[in-house]
Amino acid sequence: TQLLEQSPQFLSIQEGENLTVYCNSSSVFSSLQWYRQEPGEGPVLLVTVVTGGEVKKLKRLTFQFGDARKDSSLHITAAQPGDTGLYLCAGDFGYALNFGKGTSLLVTP
Amino acid sequence: GAVVSQHPSWVICKSGTSVKIECRSLDFQATTMFWYRQFPKQSLMLMATSNEGSKATYEQGVEKDKFLINHASLTLSTLTVTSAHPEDSSFYICSARDPGHNYGYTFGSGTRLTVV
Repeated sequence: TQLLEQSPQFLSIQEGENLTVYCNSSSVFSSLQWYRQEPGEGPVLLVTVVTGGEVKKLKRLTFQFGDARKDSSLHITAAQPGDTGLYLCAGDFGYALNFGKGTSLLVTP
Repeated sequence: GAVVSQHPSWVICKSGTSVKIECRSLDFQATTMFWYRQFPKQSLMLMATSNEGSKATYEQGVEKDKFLINHASLTLSTLTVTSAHPEDSSFYICSARDPGHNYGYTFGSGTRLTVV
């Protein structure tokens, strides 16, 4: 199983603050995906990044894929309580997805 | 978009009994499905890859005789937890790749298994 390091594991911030979550591996991904998961539910895809250096935006969320396709980041601007949840990065190594440990985000009003 | 249905959403069983979880692709055919396990406050761990018409491929450390996987059709994979014990209590999630959407991964809603 390929290892993905995700940090931080836990993050508690106030509404309006910005945050960044990191996902790193020593292996090259064919693609990397970011998911959000609510308690008791399956993960829901936020974005897929494929090309090294790629940047994708989804409203207040900005996703970056490293030039070498070994790392990625998720940046949230002006976080809101509705952003609370578990954020997971997952690397596609061509045969299955392997997930990072996840970042549990809590945004308080 | 692609939909994967997982059933049941939760189950409670007695120690020593077996439990079957179903994963169906509703609007596409999936030759490959994936089974994950997730413990509380942890991430998803890949257990096995289910292949239609052939044997599943298990990840290291996953007991194939305990977690029986059957992928008898292009839309259904089942995971049977045999002789369940309390330590098998977990959230089990299946996933499938949709060839109609660039083989993107779609996840079921998960099954909460509690063994008492």
